[in-house]
Amino acid sequence: EAQVTQNPRYLITVTGKKLTVTCSQNMNHEYMSWYRQDPGLGLRQIYYSMNVEVTDKGDVPEGYKVSRKEKRNFPLILESPSPNQTSLYFCASSLKLSGNTIYFGEGSWLTVV
Amino acid sequence: AQSVTQLGSHVSVSEGALVLLRCNYSSSVPPYLFWYVQYPNQGLQLLLKYTTGATLVKGINGFEAEFKKSETSFHLTKPSAHMSDAAEYFCAVSTGGATNKLIFGTGTLLAVQP
Repeated sequence: EAQVTQNPRYLITVTGKKLTVTCSQNMNHEYMSWYRQDPGLGLRQIYYSMNVEVTDKGDVPEGYKVSRKEKRNFPLILESPSPNQTSLYFCASSLKLSGNTIYFGEGSWLTVV
Repeated sequence: AQSVTQLGSHVSVSEGALVLLRCNYSSSVPPYLFWYVQYPNQGLQLLLKYTTGATLVKGINGFEAEFKKSETSFHLTKPSAHMSDAAEYFCAVSTGGATNKLIFGTGTLLAVQP
């Protein structure tokens, strides 16, 4: 079954404590990205990756890092989380070119206190 | 730059009534347009998309949308609402080119009353 799997699904953490949200896809997609969803703002792209070792900033990259060492994995790293990063996070993957269907994970609820 | 506007953050319909969720876009190039649905505590699922060709697009669960270039619209419709349609719906436009980035609207929460 085609899947984008992200973990953890729910996390409460404290300000400044580094955390990583993992993301893995089994569709051999080149393109992967992270979005955050906030009430009244819809989804906004944080970072994206066109392929292994190729990453770039999206619209709201501040406070986040990513890496793409393997094609299937695209972890999101919060080096020093702050309360304004409390949000619902989605990992997504697709074939590279525009117009291809983007597949989303089930989301990770992150609360920073 | 592309943008998406969804009119009505909350829409309520009766079961069996027509569902109409509005989406207008702004794009300097021919757009690719998408509707996604998000059920409670779940990820986003593609309902339908328009890339090229026929402007009336049929999707899953009885939904359809029509691309109207002159009106820059891509409204989502369903003839008869079911209770199971209660969810949040997002319209999105693709920026085109070599990256498959989506620009999302702010979402419309659909409630279906018995």
